[in-house]
Amino acid sequence: EAQVTQNPRYLITVTGKKLTVTCSQNMNHEYMSWYRQDPGLGLRQIYYSMNVEVTDKGDVPEGYKVSRKEKRNFPLILESPSPNQTSLYFCASSLYYRRSSYNEQFFGPGTRLTVL
Amino acid sequence: KQEVTQIPAALSVPEGENLVLNCSFTDSAIYNLQWFRQDPGKGLTSLLLIQSSQREQTSGRLNASLDKSSGRSTLYIAASQPGDSATYLCAVLTQGGSEKLVFGKGTKLTVNP
Repeated sequence: EAQVTQNPRYLITVTGKKLTVTCSQNMNHEYMSWYRQDPGLGLRQIYYSMNVEVTDKGDVPEGYKVSRKEKRNFPLILESPSPNQTSLYFCASSLYYRRSSYNEQFFGPGTRLTVL
Repeated sequence: KQEVTQIPAALSVPEGENLVLNCSFTDSAIYNLQWFRQDPGKGLTSLLLIQSSQREQTSGRLNASLDKSSGRSTLYIAASQPGDSATYLCAVLTQGGSEKLVFGKGTKLTVNP
Protein backbone atom coordinates (compact mmCIF):
# COMPACT_ATOMS: atom_id res chain seq x y z
CA GLU A 1 0.00 0.00 0.00
CA ALA A 2 1.33 3.43 -0.98
CA GLN A 3 1.66 5.47 2.16
CA VAL A 4 3.52 7.92 4.35
CA THR A 5 4.25 6.60 7.82
CA GLN A 6 5.31 8.47 10.93
CA ASN A 7 6.58 7.29 14.29
CA PRO A 8 5.80 7.73 17.04
CA ARG A 9 2.16 8.71 16.74
CA TYR A 10 2.06 10.16 20.23
CA LEU A 11 4.92 11.45 22.34
CA ILE A 12 5.13 13.19 25.68
CA THR A 13 8.55 14.48 26.64
CA VAL A 14 10.24 17.07 28.81
CA THR A 15 11.99 20.30 27.92
CA GLY A 16 15.48 19.80 26.56
CA LYS A 17 15.35 16.08 25.90
CA LYS A 18 16.36 15.46 22.29
CA LEU A 19 13.88 13.56 20.17
CA THR A 20 13.42 12.38 16.61
CA VAL A 21 10.19 11.84 14.73
CA THR A 22 10.63 9.51 11.79
CA CYS A 23 8.90 9.77 8.44
CA SER A 24 9.04 7.24 5.64
CA GLN A 25 7.32 6.96 2.26
CA ASN A 26 7.21 3.99 -0.09
CA MET A 27 6.19 5.84 -3.27
CA ASN A 28 9.68 6.81 -4.49
CA HIS A 29 8.75 10.46 -4.07
CA GLU A 30 11.47 13.05 -4.45
CA TYR A 31 9.84 15.76 -2.36
CA MET A 32 9.17 15.48 1.35
CA SER A 33 8.24 18.07 3.93
CA TRP A 34 7.21 18.62 7.52
CA TYR A 35 4.28 20.71 8.74
CA ARG A 36 2.99 21.58 12.15
CA GLN A 37 -0.64 22.24 12.92
CA ASP A 38 -1.72 24.53 15.73
CA PRO A 39 -5.19 25.76 16.71
CA GLY A 40 -5.94 29.09 15.10
CA LEU A 41 -2.75 29.03 13.04
CA GLY A 42 -3.48 26.16 10.70
CA LEU A 43 -0.77 24.15 8.99
CA ARG A 44 2.64 25.70 8.54
CA GLN A 45 5.66 24.26 6.79
CA ILE A 46 8.77 23.59 8.90
CA TYR A 47 11.30 22.14 6.47
CA TYR A 48 11.24 20.54 3.07
CA SER A 49 13.50 18.41 0.91
CA MET A 50 13.54 18.30 -2.87
CA ASN A 51 15.76 15.22 -3.02
CA VAL A 52 18.44 13.31 -1.16
CA GLU A 53 20.85 15.66 0.62
CA VAL A 54 18.80 18.72 -0.44
CA THR A 55 16.85 20.42 2.33
CA ASP A 56 15.62 23.94 2.98
CA LYS A 57 13.74 25.94 5.57
CA GLY A 58 10.03 26.47 5.47
CA ASP A 59 8.10 29.12 7.33
CA VAL A 60 8.80 28.03 10.92
CA PRO A 61 12.18 26.21 11.04
CA GLU A 62 13.46 27.53 14.37
CA GLY A 63 14.21 24.75 16.85
CA TYR A 64 14.08 21.95 14.28
CA LYS A 65 16.57 20.03 12.18
CA VAL A 66 16.08 17.57 9.35
CA SER A 67 18.18 15.25 7.27
CA ARG A 68 17.62 13.40 4.01
CA LYS A 69 20.20 10.68 3.65
CA GLU A 70 17.88 8.29 1.86
CA LYS A 71 15.08 9.04 -0.55
CA ARG A 72 12.40 7.31 1.50
CA ASN A 73 13.19 8.79 4.94
CA PHE A 74 12.96 12.34 6.26
CA PRO A 75 13.33 12.50 10.06
CA LEU A 76 12.47 15.60 12.07
CA ILE A 77 14.86 16.29 14.93
CA LEU A 78 14.20 18.47 17.94
CA GLU A 79 17.58 18.96 19.61
CA SER A 80 16.22 20.75 22.69
CA PRO A 81 12.43 20.69 22.68
CA SER A 82 10.51 23.49 24.35
CA PRO A 83 6.82 23.74 25.35
CA ASN A 84 6.07 25.99 22.35
CA GLN A 85 6.86 23.01 20.12
CA THR A 86 3.86 21.16 21.49
CA SER A 87 1.87 20.55 18.34
CA LEU A 88 0.51 18.07 15.81
CA TYR A 89 3.17 17.28 13.23
CA PHE A 90 2.61 15.99 9.71
CA CYS A 91 5.03 14.62 7.19
CA ALA A 92 4.10 14.87 3.50
CA SER A 93 5.53 13.71 0.21
CA SER A 94 4.94 14.26 -3.47
CA LEU A 95 6.40 13.10 -6.72
CA TYR A 96 7.90 16.56 -7.39
CA TYR A 97 7.18 16.53 -11.05
CA ARG A 98 9.02 19.76 -11.64
CA ARG A 99 6.48 21.84 -9.72
CA SER A 100 3.73 20.86 -12.07
CA SER A 101 0.01 20.87 -11.70
CA TYR A 102 0.12 17.07 -11.34
CA ASN A 103 1.93 17.33 -8.04
CA GLU A 104 -0.35 15.90 -5.39
CA GLN A 105 0.86 15.82 -1.81
CA PHE A 106 0.21 12.87 0.47
CA PHE A 107 0.24 13.19 4.22
CA GLY A 108 1.19 10.88 7.03
CA PRO A 109 -1.14 10.17 9.99
CA GLY A 110 0.43 12.78 12.23
CA THR A 111 2.47 12.81 15.44
CA ARG A 112 1.03 14.50 18.48
CA LEU A 113 3.90 15.90 20.53
CA THR A 114 3.59 17.32 24.02
CA VAL A 115 6.61 19.01 25.60
CA LEU A 116 6.29 19.56 29.34
CA LYS B 1 2.38 36.23 -0.09
CA GLN B 2 -0.34 33.69 -0.76
CA GLU B 3 -3.24 33.68 1.69
CA VAL B 4 -6.03 31.14 1.71
CA THR B 5 -9.37 31.79 3.38
CA GLN B 6 -12.18 29.35 4.03
CA ILE B 7 -15.71 30.42 4.79
CA PRO B 8 -17.59 29.47 6.85
CA ALA B 9 -15.36 28.32 9.68
CA ALA B 10 -18.07 25.95 10.84
CA LEU B 11 -21.24 24.56 9.31
CA SER B 12 -23.98 22.37 10.71
CA VAL B 13 -26.55 20.77 8.40
CA PRO B 14 -29.18 18.03 8.60
CA GLU B 15 -28.49 14.71 6.93
CA GLY B 16 -29.35 14.59 3.24
CA GLU B 17 -28.71 18.24 2.54
CA ASN B 18 -26.49 19.37 -0.33
CA LEU B 19 -23.86 21.84 0.77
CA VAL B 20 -21.07 24.05 -0.51
CA LEU B 21 -17.78 24.89 1.16
CA ASN B 22 -15.85 27.91 -0.03
CA CYS B 23 -12.15 28.60 -0.45
CA SER B 24 -10.51 31.77 -1.72
CA PHE B 25 -6.87 32.57 -2.40
CA THR B 26 -5.09 35.85 -3.07
CA ASP B 27 -2.49 34.86 -5.69
CA SER B 28 -3.87 33.24 -8.83
CA ALA B 29 -0.44 31.94 -9.91
CA ILE B 30 -1.01 28.39 -8.69
CA TYR B 31 -0.17 24.92 -9.96
CA ASN B 32 -3.10 23.22 -8.35
CA LEU B 33 -5.55 23.23 -5.48
CA GLN B 34 -6.22 20.29 -3.18
CA TRP B 35 -9.14 19.61 -0.90
CA PHE B 36 -8.42 17.53 2.19
CA ARG B 37 -10.52 15.99 4.89
CA GLN B 38 -9.30 15.81 8.49
CA ASP B 39 -11.04 13.83 11.20
CA PRO B 40 -10.43 14.94 14.81
CA GLY B 41 -6.86 14.23 15.87
CA LYS B 42 -6.17 12.41 12.63
CA GLY B 43 -4.19 12.93 9.46
CA LEU B 44 -5.15 14.61 6.22
CA THR B 45 -6.87 12.61 3.55
CA SER B 46 -6.66 14.00 0.04
CA LEU B 47 -10.12 14.25 -1.52
CA LEU B 48 -9.62 16.01 -4.81
CA LEU B 49 -6.85 17.73 -6.72
CA ILE B 50 -7.72 20.30 -9.36
CA GLN B 51 -4.97 21.28 -11.74
CA SER B 52 -4.66 24.94 -12.64
CA SER B 53 -5.92 24.27 -16.17
CA GLN B 54 -9.02 22.44 -14.94
CA ARG B 55 -12.38 23.86 -13.94
CA GLU B 56 -13.66 20.99 -11.83
CA GLN B 57 -13.08 17.50 -10.50
CA THR B 58 -15.54 14.94 -9.26
CA SER B 59 -15.25 11.98 -6.94
CA GLY B 60 -18.43 10.23 -5.89
CA ARG B 61 -20.64 12.72 -4.05
CA LEU B 62 -17.93 15.37 -4.10
CA ASN B 63 -17.45 17.98 -6.77
CA ALA B 64 -14.77 20.65 -6.60
CA SER B 65 -14.61 23.66 -8.88
CA LEU B 66 -11.82 26.12 -9.53
CA ASP B 67 -11.98 29.67 -10.86
CA LYS B 68 -8.33 30.62 -10.90
CA SER B 69 -8.80 34.13 -12.22
CA SER B 70 -11.09 35.10 -9.36
CA GLY B 71 -9.13 33.10 -6.79
CA ARG B 72 -12.00 30.85 -5.75
CA SER B 73 -12.78 27.20 -5.29
CA THR B 74 -15.86 25.43 -3.99
CA LEU B 75 -16.37 21.92 -2.68
CA TYR B 76 -19.88 20.64 -3.26
CA ILE B 77 -21.05 17.69 -1.17
CA ALA B 78 -24.24 16.03 -2.35
CA ALA B 79 -26.67 14.23 -0.09
CA SER B 80 -24.59 14.74 3.04
CA GLN B 81 -24.25 11.94 5.59
CA PRO B 82 -23.19 11.92 9.27
CA GLY B 83 -19.96 10.22 8.16
CA ASP B 84 -19.08 13.37 6.24
CA SER B 85 -18.61 15.20 9.53
CA ALA B 86 -15.00 16.40 9.60
CA THR B 87 -12.87 19.45 8.97
CA TYR B 88 -12.32 20.24 5.30
CA LEU B 89 -9.15 22.02 4.29
CA CYS B 90 -8.22 23.54 0.99
CA ALA B 91 -4.63 24.16 0.01
CA VAL B 92 -2.95 25.73 -3.00
CA LEU B 93 0.40 24.91 -4.53
CA THR B 94 1.75 28.30 -5.47
CA GLN B 95 4.15 28.97 -8.32
CA GLY B 96 7.53 30.35 -7.35
CA GLY B 97 9.33 29.91 -4.08
CA SER B 98 9.43 26.67 -2.12
CA GLU B 99 7.35 23.67 -3.01
CA LYS B 100 4.75 23.98 -0.31
CA LEU B 101 1.05 23.96 0.11
CA VAL B 102 -0.54 27.03 1.63
CA PHE B 103 -3.53 25.96 3.68
CA GLY B 104 -6.72 27.60 4.73
CA LYS B 105 -7.81 27.17 8.32
CA GLY B 106 -10.60 24.83 7.36
CA THR B 107 -14.35 24.48 7.62
CA LYS B 108 -15.63 22.22 10.37
CA LEU B 109 -18.66 20.36 9.04
CA THR B 110 -21.22 18.63 11.22
CA VAL B 111 -23.94 16.57 9.58
CA ASN B 112 -26.74 15.79 12.01
CA PRO B 113 -28.72 12.56 11.71
